[in-house]
Amino acid sequence: GAGVSQSPSNKVTEKGKDVELRCDPISGHTALYWYRQRLGQGLEFLIYFQGNSAPDKSGLPSDRFSAERTGESVSTLTIQRTQQEDSAVYLCASSSMGQGPNYGYTFGSGTRLTVV
Amino acid sequence: DAKTTQPPSMDCAEGRAANLPCNHSTISGNEYVYWYRQIHSQGPQYIIHGLKNNETNEMASLIITEDRKSSTLILPHATLRDTAVYYCIAGFNAGGTSYGKLTFGQGTILTVHP
Repeated sequence: GAGVSQSPSNKVTEKGKDVELRCDPISGHTALYWYRQRLGQGLEFLIYFQGNSAPDKSGLPSDRFSAERTGESVSTLTIQRTQQEDSAVYLCASSSMGQGPNYGYTFGSGTRLTVV
Repeated sequence: DAKTTQPPSMDCAEGRAANLPCNHSTISGNEYVYWYRQIHSQGPQYIIHGLKNNETNEMASLIITEDRKSSTLILPHATLRDTAVYYCIAGFNAGGTSYGKLTFGQGTILTVHP
C-alpha cells in the first residue's frame, strides 16, 4: 500500500483481557518497528523486525508483550492480561533500510489503546 | 546512538523562517542526523537526514556544522500547520550493520503563531 496501515485505530478493552494490534507495512520494506507513546510522553522503542526475525526485543516492557511478523509483511503486537498502564498509542513504522532513496521510517497513524 | 540535545520549545511567526537547533557532540563519523516531526495525534513524519553535507528538500533544509557536533533544521517559511514536536536523532546507520533503531528524545515543541 501507499503507507503504513494500523488496525484498529482505537481499542478499548477491559483490564485483564488480551489484545492484538496489527500493522501492515509498506510493501517491500524489510524493517518494521513498534513504538509506544503514552499521553504527553515521547516514543518508547518496543521491538524491531528485520524480515520475519526480531533481533531486538529489548523494549518489550514485560512477558505480557509479544510480537510476530509473517511473510516479511504483516506484524501483530499482542498484549496479554492488559493493565491500565498499557494504555497508550502504539505506533508501527517500516523502513527500506537503505535499499531505496529514502532511509527514513514511515509511521502509521497508530492504535490508541485504552484499558479500563 | 549518539545523544542529542534540543531546546524544549520555540516560537516562530507565520511566514518567517524557523531555525531549530540540535546538539550531537558525541556523534561518530558514520552516524547520520535525522529529523522527524510529530503533529498532534499523528505518527511521526520523516523530514530530512544528512551525514556531512547540507541537505535540502521540499520540506526543509538541514545545516550540519563542519565538526558535525550540531545541526540546524530550517523551515524557510513556517505556516501554522508546521506547529509540531520536532525530533533530532543521531546514530541511525542507514545501510550499515546497525539495524537502524531510532531513539527519540523529547524533541522541540515548535509553535507557529499568526
